[in-house]
Amino acid sequence: EADIYQTPRYLVIGTGKKITLECSQTMGHDKMYWYQQDPGMELHLIHYSYGVNSTEKGDLSSESTVSRIRTEHFPLTLESARPSHTSQYLCASSEGRAIGYTFGSGTRLTVV
Amino acid sequence: SQELEQSPQSLIVQEGKNLTINCTSSKTLYGLYWYKQKYGEGLIFLMMLQKGGEEKSHEKITAKLDEKKQQSSLHITASQPSHAGIYLCGAPLTGANNLFFGTGTRLTVIP
Repeated sequence: EADIYQTPRYLVIGTGKKITLECSQTMGHDKMYWYQQDPGMELHLIHYSYGVNSTEKGDLSSESTVSRIRTEHFPLTLESARPSHTSQYLCASSEGRAIGYTFGSGTRLTVV
Repeated sequence: SQELEQSPQSLIVQEGKNLTINCTSSKTLYGLYWYKQKYGEGLIFLMMLQKGGEEKSHEKITAKLDEKKQQSSLHITASQPSHAGIYLCGAPLTGANNLFFGTGTRLTVIP
């Protein structure tokens, strides 16, 4: 039923590895977002995009990078994973302010 | 985000009891969204409030927006185990469309 998909759901990876978290949506939304969620509960915006070839950093500093080559695809890459990157990563998209965000199921990343 | 504070941080209630979760903003609210999250999952949109005094209901969940107090409340009537999860409020606190999220409230409903 979800129109926004994140893969993988869970990932355990060694320090120093390069990883890409995938996020795709089928709703044709221009706006897409990546949030990092604390073990507590707070979500922090780390990247966002308002359309193809448009990416911006969010409020929380992150060593990750993103790209937006196609409307439906917004992958997040960590060039060299560290234990401090261990977290839940949530991708979302929206059509505009009048409509809420649609979230993916998240990727739980553990860096050992 | 410290701009959006939720209270309480966690809540344990007996099935059938009513409960209220509050979300208070340190900035002017131009709208507020409520989401629910099951552990380890993504967020599910519950409802959006746009105008001061607006109140919306969906099944047993009612949300209100008090613009003057820069606050929203989420009220659950006759709670059920299916209501358990994390409730998050979100709001666009700047001119951009980006949502800031509250500190979250973890709800446990005991059968």
